[in-house]
Amino acid sequence: GAVVSQHPSRVICKSGTSVKIECRSLDFQATTMFWYRQFPKQSLMLMATSNEGSKATYEQGVEKDKFLINHASLTLSTLTVTSAHPEDSSFYICSARSGARSGANVLTFGAGSRLTVL
Amino acid sequence: AQSVTQLGSHVSVSEGALVLLRCNYSSSVPPYLFWYVQYPNQGLQLLLKYTSAATLVKGINGFEAEFKKSETSFHLTKPSAHMSDAAEYFCAAALTGAGSYQLTFGKGTKLSVIP
Repeated sequence: GAVVSQHPSRVICKSGTSVKIECRSLDFQATTMFWYRQFPKQSLMLMATSNEGSKATYEQGVEKDKFLINHASLTLSTLTVTSAHPEDSSFYICSARSGARSGANVLTFGAGSRLTVL
Repeated sequence: AQSVTQLGSHVSVSEGALVLLRCNYSSSVPPYLFWYVQYPNQGLQLLLKYTSAATLVKGINGFEAEFKKSETSFHLTKPSAHMSDAAEYFCAAALTGAGSYQLTFGKGTKLSVIP
């Protein structure tokens, strides 16, 4: 089945530094990927929609200059948290649409990346 | 606009007992509906999906869900709980139609299974 790989799974960084998280579709092409943020014991919050070859579409309230998204190829989207601060610590999850034949809008999720900013 | 409501943030059942996780949706058009499971520090795994075909949907690991339009519900059930079912479960909805990949998630229900 469709597999989405996310890297790194865990990252700890100092306040003020930038962190890049990669999301790859391993066995299918994904023109659209999604980035979510999950706070402890809460649901997933859609941050942005990443479109291959074009600018990402950010949800209301998400700072596009803080969370840079690049979708340079059909199998890779990256999320860069710039000038990270402790409040950016969270679990970030990406997803990509698979199952195009069924048209069922099935999303395959990565395993998530836990960011801790000290 | 659409929304997804999961009743009960935490559900505990005994091993072998029935599992019932509730999900109600609000949408201006019939949505696609999904149940995902999340194990600690992991991403989401699709359990099952409803896409306007059969109203009773069977998924992996013995789970099933029934779409009831009159009740705007999509409750998840499993006849007999197993210890390995302990996890967080999310109900999600997507608007029907081409390009509707964006999911709206419920807040999740943590399932505990008591031996």
